[in-house]
Order: sequence, then C-alpha cells, then structure tokens
Amino acid sequence: DSGVTQTPKHLITATGQRVTLRCSPRSGDLSVYWYQQSLDQGLQFLIQYYNGEERAKGNILERFSAQQFPDLHSELNLSSLELGDSALYFCASSVAGTDSGNTIYFGEGSWLTVV
Amino acid sequence: DAKTTQPPSMDCAEGRAANLPCNHSTISGNEYVYWYRQIHSQGPQYIIHGLKNNETNEMASLIITEDRKSSTLILPHATLRDTAVYYCIVRTFYGQNFVFGPGTRLSVLP
Repeated sequence: DSGVTQTPKHLITATGQRVTLRCSPRSGDLSVYWYQQSLDQGLQFLIQYYNGEERAKGNILERFSAQQFPDLHSELNLSSLELGDSALYFCASSVAGTDSGNTIYFGEGSWLTVV
Repeated sequence: DAKTTQPPSMDCAEGRAANLPCNHSTISGNEYVYWYRQIHSQGPQYIIHGLKNNETNEMASLIITEDRKSSTLILPHATLRDTAVYYCIVRTFYGQNFVFGPGTRLSVLP
C-alpha cells in the first residue's frame, strides 16, 4: 500500500459526459501528479500540482482539468468524454521541496471506460 | 521524451537472479537513475534509485557503471510475483515529472 488513495476504482460512462477522479496523497506529501495509461500510449504524464499550485503540465487535453485543494487532495476533471479517453488514470504524490528525496508514489488507479 | 533504452522483454527462471539492463548514455551529472515496476495494471511501484554509487535495499540492487551511461537492476532471487514491467527513468532529484518509456517486460518462469 503506497498510501495514495484514488476513487473511484472503476467508472463507466457515456461519450459526452463529465467525470471527476479524486486523489488523496500520502500524509505529508505536497505534490500530486496525474498520469494516464492507455493500451497504446503507455504511461503519460498529465499534470503536477504542488501545495495547491500548478507546477508542471504534460500532455493534458484542454477538455481535462485538475486542481489541488487546501487539504492537498486533488481532483482530475474529464469532460466531453470520448471513447479514446478510456484508460487507467493514476495519481502519484511526493514530498517535493525537501532534501528527503522526491520519489513519487502511485495510487492503484481509476479505470475509466467510456462507452 | 524518455532518456533511457531498455530491452522490451526478458525471461528469468524462478529463484535465479534477474538482471535488467538500462542504457542512459546521455545522462547528465545531476540526474538520478530510478527504477519502478508495474505488476499487471496496478500502480507503478518504486523500487530503488541512485546517482553514482551502487545501491541496495530490501527489494533489489542497483549497479551503475562508472561512466554512469548504463545501469543494471538486480532482483537477487526472482519469484513469480516479480513478473512485471520494469521502468528505468533518469531525472534530476527535484525534477518536475517522471517520464516513463515502454520498459522491460520481465517474465519469471517456474
């Protein structure tokens, strides 16, 4: 158990809909990362937040957005869903900004199926 | 873009050491080598990381060549549960994100 909690574990929704994925980082971690893993793309970095602020942005579509709240949990919002958005979405967290290391730890992911 | 090269797949007999190579010939002086693995569709699991010196923990050993252009992850006594995709990543200590390549699919055979 990495200590990173993601909900829901599985989600099935229709094209055009909007969903929200939630992530609670490990206790004490200030950074949250979102990754997408689809069959043909591997693990793709989407976005990182550090202590509530966006820190880095990767291959995140404009239909997707994220935020990190004052209690440090994060949400990834996916809208106008398309079949190709079906994937595993992972959240990871790290301490960041300290000298104790910046290893990131992943949650178990949220399976999104768009039908 | 991933800065590492790994073989796409490897087999290892159960109980034997699994040696997974990684080439990172363009690594810079402040970049670390990290190893993660992903068992089936579970979340990637941190294994080990190092800068120059060899490292060992309860899961594995990391051997980095003197010129730092390549490294080897060693699982000393592979079990069936070590069957997974292993990712080698290089990044600075406070780098913004981890870039995952396709990794090496290790199959531990009974």
